[in-house]
Amino acid sequence: DTEVTQTPKHLVMGMTNKKSLKCEQHMGHRAMYWYKQKAKKPPELMFVYSYEKLSINESVPSRFSPECPNSSLLNLHLHALQPEDSALYLCASSQELGHAFFGQGTRLTVV
Amino acid sequence: AQSVTQLGSHVSVSEGALVLLRCNYSSSVPPYLFWYVQYPNQGLQLLLKYTSAATLVKGINGFEAEFKKSETSFHLTKPSAHMSDAAEYFCAVPYNQGGKLIFGQGTELSVKP
Repeated sequence: DTEVTQTPKHLVMGMTNKKSLKCEQHMGHRAMYWYKQKAKKPPELMFVYSYEKLSINESVPSRFSPECPNSSLLNLHLHALQPEDSALYLCASSQELGHAFFGQGTRLTVV
Repeated sequence: AQSVTQLGSHVSVSEGALVLLRCNYSSSVPPYLFWYVQYPNQGLQLLLKYTSAATLVKGINGFEAEFKKSETSFHLTKPSAHMSDAAEYFCAVPYNQGGKLIFGQGTELSVKP
């Protein structure tokens, strides 16, 4: 299994809603990532988890809250988002230093 | 800090023509260099990676890239473009041991029939 699975594929939420994005991998990778990608731009790193501990937070607003319940799962909890947070959210996993496997992404629209 | 620069935000070729997408890295020789492809509304898929084992790297879908230290380049090529190659292509380099990737700005490849 060489896949990273993200759910849901599409999400529309209001600015007062609370929602969560989910990511799962079964490749035994100990590093997992959340990236945000706006249209026609490269992915921007948000968070890195290494061995289930948060190792990098790229100064992301607190309305985004990551969680790593175990070595296979990564969640991104969303609360009080703004319309400018609308983007494609990509999850990825990798060995410590190597190429990252990306999921198909969650297309988030904040209304 | 490492960075990569992709020359040309948009490249258009005819079907069957050579594809050349340019990527230059900064400063020191990186341990890895990657090319990713992103089809519309999808995630990123690894095309190929340089690991210092060989300067000419072959990837999926007929793509290859050559690492040239003298030119600090890692350009992506394909001898004959196919309509299905139309996508966004990103060059990337690891930032440090922590697994963070630094991406180039991307090149959109269009293939004309």
